[in-house]
Amino acid sequence: DAKTTQPNSMESNEEEPVHLPCNHSTISGTDYIHWYRQLPSQGPEYVIHGLTSNVNNRMASLAIAEDRKSSTLILHRATLRDAAVYYCILRDSYNFNKFYFGSGTKLNVKP
Amino acid sequence: DAGITQSPRYKITETGRQVTLMCHQTWSHSYMFWYRQDLGHGLRLIYYSAAADITDKGEVPDGYVVSRSKTENFPLTLESATRSQTSVYFCASSGVLMNTEAFFGQGTRLTVV
Repeated sequence: DAKTTQPNSMESNEEEPVHLPCNHSTISGTDYIHWYRQLPSQGPEYVIHGLTSNVNNRMASLAIAEDRKSSTLILHRATLRDAAVYYCILRDSYNFNKFYFGSGTKLNVKP
Repeated sequence: DAGITQSPRYKITETGRQVTLMCHQTWSHSYMFWYRQDLGHGLRLIYYSAAADITDKGEVPDGYVVSRSKTENFPLTLESATRSQTSVYFCASSGVLMNTEAFFGQGTRLTVV
């Protein structure tokens, strides 16, 4: 029931910005957009989340389209440690308990 | 230390045996989740719980049983393990607000032989 679409993989050069896209055309008005990442052999970890406005934190920025049907996670300067699978997730407002992951984007960072 | 811990980290069991995976969190989060992740794939939700004594099925609940008698614990039981249940299992917890983040354990790698 995952309601997001992401590219399977992306590649970036170290020290360059990375833009990871996510489409969520069926998003409802009160769904929050969450991003998590999973480093090799680890559990997922929170990256950032937002509702309507763009958000920044120490790890990344989240740009949300005006119609909220897509969003972009921005890593400003990719490092080798950012190589991971990045998941874009909608926190369902009517089934709050259901926290579904899609297949994610595998980010490869080249030195 | 505050956090979410899973035990055991690794488990090998035989087909047909019952096995229980443990999950413990120290934040008193209301919500807890169990996921499985098969090799090379994303996470699939098995069961979730909104509070003690409140649990419900996720995407792939067949073959699994959960309970939650205390807020901090959310054990997952495979009543009769099958080879198809070989996977990495992740437990997670989060607060009551939709905009709060979830915290994940390090996972339990289960092999059914």
